[in-house]
Amino acid sequence: RKEVEQDPGPFNVPEGATVAFNCTYSNSASQSFFWYRQDCRKEPKLLMSVYSSGNEDGRFTAQLNRASQYISLLIRDSKLSDSATYLCVVNIPPGRRALTFGSGTRLQVQP
Amino acid sequence: DAGITQSPRYKITETGRQVTLMCHQTWSHSYMFWYRQDLGHGLRLIYYSAAADITDKGEVPDGYVVSRSKTENFPLTLESATRSQTSVYFCASSELAEGYEQYFGPGTRLTVT
Repeated sequence: RKEVEQDPGPFNVPEGATVAFNCTYSNSASQSFFWYRQDCRKEPKLLMSVYSSGNEDGRFTAQLNRASQYISLLIRDSKLSDSATYLCVVNIPPGRRALTFGSGTRLQVQP
Repeated sequence: DAGITQSPRYKITETGRQVTLMCHQTWSHSYMFWYRQDLGHGLRLIYYSAAADITDKGEVPDGYVVSRSKTENFPLTLESATRSQTSVYFCASSELAEGYEQYFGPGTRLTVT
């Protein structure tokens, strides 16, 4: 089983749609969770951290479910500019291995 | 604010040659990391460094060497390049410990022929 698993997609949605991605992680001791965004052939960029109580940043909402070991990202009112690959990132203790990245979920927002 | 830069951005080299990829950050972050990204594998950690003169192996260190004589620089050397090392290489830095958010450079696209 992969340490961090994501549905690769692609998710093809129309502009204005709401879309949600899930990600599961294997290590119950993980403490840090993030969503990164990666545009084609570019570097990953931090989208948001994921906190235990859930958090929101504009149209983006992240949730953490420790009992089921998954995190989610909800994007409301999708824009064309949201088209990208979304990487789920988790720290896998002990810290020596730094962060572990999922392979990503590709989102294509269509006009 | 330059942030984190990598050079070269593109490199083509031949099998068996030594090649060094450069990474420089202006934030004075303690932690620096090297990843490679290949289709089907996502980002995999090659080496990381917690401070100057402190480095440690990641998930896929074989065939690579790193050094960190200055906080701001973290070069990655392929001692004898192989075709399997054709990849996109990303350098990243983090202000705090390994489990905190990281910021990435623009990447180096390396082709080994």
